[in-house]
Amino acid sequence: SQQGEEDPQALSIQEGENATMNCSYKTSINNLQWYRQNSGRGLVHLILIRSNEREKHSGRLRVTLDTSKKSSSLLITASRAADTASYFCATDAVRSGGSNYKLTFGKGTLLTVNP
Amino acid sequence: NAGVMQNPRHLVRRRGQEARLRCSPMKGHSHVYWYRQLPEEGLKFMVYLQKENIIDESGMPKERFSAEFPKEGPSILRIQQVVRGDSAAYFCASSLGPYNEQFFGPGTRLTVL
Repeated sequence: SQQGEEDPQALSIQEGENATMNCSYKTSINNLQWYRQNSGRGLVHLILIRSNEREKHSGRLRVTLDTSKKSSSLLITASRAADTASYFCATDAVRSGGSNYKLTFGKGTLLTVNP
Repeated sequence: NAGVMQNPRHLVRRRGQEARLRCSPMKGHSHVYWYRQLPEEGLKFMVYLQKENIIDESGMPKERFSAEFPKEGPSILRIQQVVRGDSAAYFCASSLGPYNEQFFGPGTRLTVL
């Protein structure tokens, strides 16, 4: 599997339900970020979690990071139709000298929230 | 405070023509990154530039692709003699520094006929 691989590839839920997406990666990282991309549009930065953090919240978003398992999850609570989008995790691998500016993206999870 | 600007948003070229994609970073950002997204794929790193310098172009194809970030003006990604396989969305991102969050522009969707 590639660095920053999301699971599942597609997820369809009803409005009001929670959506959980997972991301696995291979190498040690400094930071992990989640982005949202609406169809045919640009990326919107959602949240950044550092390797020394285990959990982070932002509004209806909750991100966890387990560096021992090299995995992260993104939870969207009380989903809305407007949350329909593709969600990507992006990692920056540790390298000498500090953070690696090269973000490595997975293929994304396509979330569909049905009204 | 405008975000990252890219133009054009859509670009159509015939095989063999040149494509020029422009990126203006967020105000105060001097670090620019270009990524390419093929259909149904995630973004792939192409090049990292600071003003007047290419820091890392390890993700750029060896031929036909070039990038610059002059002292004045936007960053330019240039693709010469385009082929159908160059059809993709090209995203630019900028940051305050190499250790900071990258903010993405809306992308340029290149279609090669």
